[in-house]
Amino acid sequence: DAGITQSPRHKVTETGTPVTLRCHQTENHRYMYWYRQDPGHGLRLIHYSYGVKDTDKGEVSDGYSVSRSKTEDFLLTLESATSSQTSVYFCAISERGGNTGELFFGEGSRLTVL
Amino acid sequence: RKEVEQDPGPFNVPEGATVAFNCTYSNSASQSFFWYRQDCRKEPKLLMSVYSSGNEDGRFTAQLNRASQYISLLIRDSKLSDSATYLCVGDHSGNTPLVFGKGTRLSVIA
Repeated sequence: DAGITQSPRHKVTETGTPVTLRCHQTENHRYMYWYRQDPGHGLRLIHYSYGVKDTDKGEVSDGYSVSRSKTEDFLLTLESATSSQTSVYFCAISERGGNTGELFFGEGSRLTVL
Repeated sequence: RKEVEQDPGPFNVPEGATVAFNCTYSNSASQSFFWYRQDCRKEPKLLMSVYSSGNEDGRFTAQLNRASQYISLLIRDSKLSDSATYLCVGDHSGNTPLVFGKGTRLSVIA
């Protein structure tokens, strides 16, 4: 299995509080992604990174920001959490971008916003 | 309209049955397609890539029909362990990240 860990794995928070999810990889892969998965919507891309300090928005980026200050870490921040951000968040990594690289997923972070 | 669409199921089939899933894509420029498998409360994992000429991996066969813009996954001799959600995945274009379908749930029953 690819060396990718997410933390925290479970979090319950209140509306309006900031939340940061961390994705850490030991594979030295260039590309990192944050997805959210919700019933009826499947996996949707939030943000992705194609290198240190290089990030771009995905399909559902509103209300989220990301940072990648080093290859191994990709942080997802909810500046002010809302109930609509209750979801399971998956981080993924790939050696190559776009359509050429297999995605390896972390185990997911389950976030509940009350 | 989502770029990749698939029947959510669930498909309930007996052990030993053959089951097929279809997935349609809207972007005619899409080049690469994959099937991922996701077990309940687990992360998705790559099952197989889909090649233009069709490809087989044991009991699993994937096919691509560019004219009709759909891909398919055929599972022969279903096992209980095949019970999972199967995600159809395609590229948007070029070097952009992959787009996932909502998944098709399969339950194989003894």
